[in-house]
Amino acid sequence: AQSVTQLGSHVSVSEGALVLLRCNYSSSVPPYLFWYVQYPNQGLQLLLKYTTGATLVKGINGFEAEFKKSETSFHLTKPSAHMSDAAEYFCAARVTSGTYKDIFGTGTRLKVLA
Amino acid sequence: EAGVVQSPRYKIIEKKQPVAFWCNPISGHNTLYWYRQNLGQGPELLIRYENEEAVDDSQLPKDRFSAERLKGVDSTLKIQPAELGDSAVYLCASSLVPGDLATEAFFGQGTRLTVV
Repeated sequence: AQSVTQLGSHVSVSEGALVLLRCNYSSSVPPYLFWYVQYPNQGLQLLLKYTTGATLVKGINGFEAEFKKSETSFHLTKPSAHMSDAAEYFCAARVTSGTYKDIFGTGTRLKVLA
Repeated sequence: EAGVVQSPRYKIIEKKQPVAFWCNPISGHNTLYWYRQNLGQGPELLIRYENEEAVDDSQLPKDRFSAERLKGVDSTLKIQPAELGDSAVYLCASSLVPGDLATEAFFGQGTRLTVV
């Protein structure tokens, strides 16, 4: 079965430090890939997505992610963490087989330390 | 532009009781999704509509769950009877173009259901 793995359910970084949230997918066919962010008591909102073309994708709030087919990865990074980045982050893969389905990872809760 | 609107935000019911959730998608969005998000997990698809048609309901527990999307706009998800294990956040989402694989979903704030 298709799956999305997010390593680390909780990640803590200091304010101003690099943020790295890991995402790996299992699919023989490269899927469309998404990162969503969920703030407390809010719905998920899109950070960025990879569909086709450039493998380095830039999103909102200074986040970016690189699609690496050889590693089946789509890790999310931000050079300098801000307190407002504290939230839960979900990686999702849109897999197609006749129809399509979005498979979500279990999420990574990011904590930013002052 | 208004986002995806869900109601109620919170619901507490006793087991074996029925419950219903309502979703109003973004205007013009033809695809509507219902997801269930258990604590500490990512969203899991229950059902996807394209316009009025349920095109993927393979994960919907049909013995107790039902959904409808009348006139291809609003949608209602119902559970009858509710079980303790149904406690979760139920998320509704919508997207613009059916079958456009590149388009993302827009999510509502969810309904947090607690079954006691």
